Amino acid sequence: EAQVTQNPRYLITVTGKKLTVTCSQNMNHEYMSWYRQDPGLGLRQIYYSMNVEVTDKGDVPEGYKVSRKEKRNFPLILESPSPNQTSLYFCASSFNDAGGNTEAFFGQGTRLTVV
Amino acid sequence: AQSVTQLGSHVSVSEGALVLLRCNYSSSVPPYLFWYVQYPNQGLQLLLKYTSAATLVKGINGFEAEFKKSETSFHLTKPSAHMSDAAEYFCAVGRAGGTSYGKLTFGQGTILTVHP
Repeated sequence: EAQVTQNPRYLITVTGKKLTVTCSQNMNHEYMSWYRQDPGLGLRQIYYSMNVEVTDKGDVPEGYKVSRKEKRNFPLILESPSPNQTSLYFCASSFNDAGGNTEAFFGQGTRLTVV
Repeated sequence: AQSVTQLGSHVSVSEGALVLLRCNYSSSVPPYLFWYVQYPNQGLQLLLKYTSAATLVKGINGFEAEFKKSETSFHLTKPSAHMSDAAEYFCAVGRAGGTSYGKLTFGQGTILTVHP
């Protein structure tokens, strides 16, 4: 089954304690992204990756890091989490065909609470 | 630059009534447009997409949307609401062409409530 898998689904942590949210896709997609979802703001892109070892900032990158060492994995790293990073996070992967047709496939989400 | 505005953060309809969720976009290049649905405690599921073919797009669960370039709109409709349609709906714009890198810009979301 084609899917994007995030772990963990729920996480409560304390301010300043480094954490990593994993994301893996089995569709051989080149593009992967991280979004955060906050009430009234929709989804905002944090970082994206065009392929292995190629990443770039999205709209709200502050306080986050990513890496893309393998095509299937795209972990999100919070080096020093703060309460304003409490949010619902989604990983997505997508393809881009010759015509630029792109469709994003989303993971189930990770609800992060920073206290 | 691209942006999306969804008019109405909450829409309430009766079961069997018409569903209309509004979306207006702004894009400096020809856009690709999407509607996603999010059920409680779940990820986003694609309802339908416009990719410069037919302007009237049919999706899953009886939903459809019409791309109107002159109005920069991509409103989502369903003739008859069902209780199972209650969810949050997101309109998103992507950039047509090879440099999109899968980036989507989302609207703020519209919560659809369906009353018996």
